[in-house]
Amino acid sequence: ELKVEQNPLFLSMQEGKNYTIYCNYSTTSDRLYWYRQDPGKSLESLFVLLSNGAVKQEGRLMASLDTKARLSTLHITAAVHDLSATYFCAVDMDDSNYQLIWGAGTKLIIKP
Amino acid sequence: DGGITQSPKYLFRKEGQNVTLSCEQNLNHDAMYWYRQDPGQGLRLIYYSQIVNDFQKGDIAEGYSVSREKKESFPLTVTSAQKNPTAFYLCASSIVKWNEQFFGPGTRLTVL
Repeated sequence: ELKVEQNPLFLSMQEGKNYTIYCNYSTTSDRLYWYRQDPGKSLESLFVLLSNGAVKQEGRLMASLDTKARLSTLHITAAVHDLSATYFCAVDMDDSNYQLIWGAGTKLIIKP
Repeated sequence: DGGITQSPKYLFRKEGQNVTLSCEQNLNHDAMYWYRQDPGQGLRLIYYSQIVNDFQKGDIAEGYSVSREKKESFPLTVTSAQKNPTAFYLCASSIVKWNEQFFGPGTRLTVL
């Protein structure tokens, strides 16, 4: 079964803290995407990871991809309230008949 | 400005009605997609199209229909056969199959 699992699904944290969201997937892929969704809004592309060992950073967010472990991480450094949102990972798996397989999303709440 | 537009932003449907959601893109993307999102949930693929005059069913195509007569346009019809259509509908497009997907602002459909 083609699956993408994110954890945690819900995260409440204080401003200034660091934390990591994990995205595991079930079969081979070297193409993974992270998106952000604000409440009631559409999805915004954050990171595109296209090879093993890829690392991308934007502000306080850093994403990485380990294709051997079938794992991507989204690391938040010194969180600020504006990063509160739901974060989705999506994987273009080799066996997926060209569909993106989506994680369930991680709802992140950052308290002042 | 290049982008994806969806209309209307809000749509109300009576029982037994068919309604059509519009999706237009001027990004010259080949592939287009329709997703459904229920409150607090992730994305589920309804239909996707890789080229004009061709489209494939996603995971939850029952009760929906699409057409792709022009590269720029991919309208979604929610038929009366869809018994629980209240949801947030997102249209997306990408340059080639399964590269980074760009999303429209969404249409929120409510059944009265």
